[in-house]
Amino acid sequence: GENVEQHPSTLSVQEGDSAVIKCTYSDSASNYFPWYKQELGKRPQLIIDIRSNVGEKKDQRIAVTLNKTAKHFSLHITETQPEDSAVYFCAATADFNNAGNMLTFGGGTRLMVKP
Amino acid sequence: KAGVTQTPRYLIKTRGQQVTLSCSPISGHRSVSWYQQTPGQGLQFLFEYFSETQRNKGNFPGRFSGRQFSNSRSEMNVSTLELGDSALYLCATKDREGTGELFFGEGSRLTVL
Repeated sequence: GENVEQHPSTLSVQEGDSAVIKCTYSDSASNYFPWYKQELGKRPQLIIDIRSNVGEKKDQRIAVTLNKTAKHFSLHITETQPEDSAVYFCAATADFNNAGNMLTFGGGTRLMVKP
Repeated sequence: KAGVTQTPRYLIKTRGQQVTLSCSPISGHRSVSWYQQTPGQGLQFLFEYFSETQRNKGNFPGRFSGRQFSNSRSEMNVSTLELGDSALYLCATKDREGTGELFFGEGSRLTVL
């Protein structure tokens, strides 16, 4: 089955700096890669996603890049703000075209943005 | 539109007991999945239902089971509880076919003593 590794497990940055979180996956059939943000005591929420036919996607301060050959994808947050502090999870699935819900998640990255 | 509703939010059980958790999806969402979240193992997929049929099942023992009703509400059951079953159980539902976003509930936090 799919295996997703995520690094680093914790990341501390100064407000205004950029943050990068990296994930690798094992199943070359994976075709959908979402990122979820989970604030303390709250539910995970989708912040950005990318499909396998796209190399990069951007939404304001957040961007995701995908390298299918190397089987890794990354989340980039620019101009970080204290409200970006949360746990971020990457995920992958080969089930997207079948409209499935079965995501394999990475272990999570705790991002701390210091004011 | 109401979000994903999970009940109960918190519960405490003892080893050997069983527990049933409930999930009401967002109106119109017919796909429901369950995830176990623990500090050590992160988010792990349990199972997924669509139109009352189990589509996929994760790598959990048979003590973990689920079902979905005709109104798309779902339940999961854990029998013969073990200490290691203590976790946050998250339900996630999905919009129409082909869209990727999962909408999570706030979870049911189970503590097994």
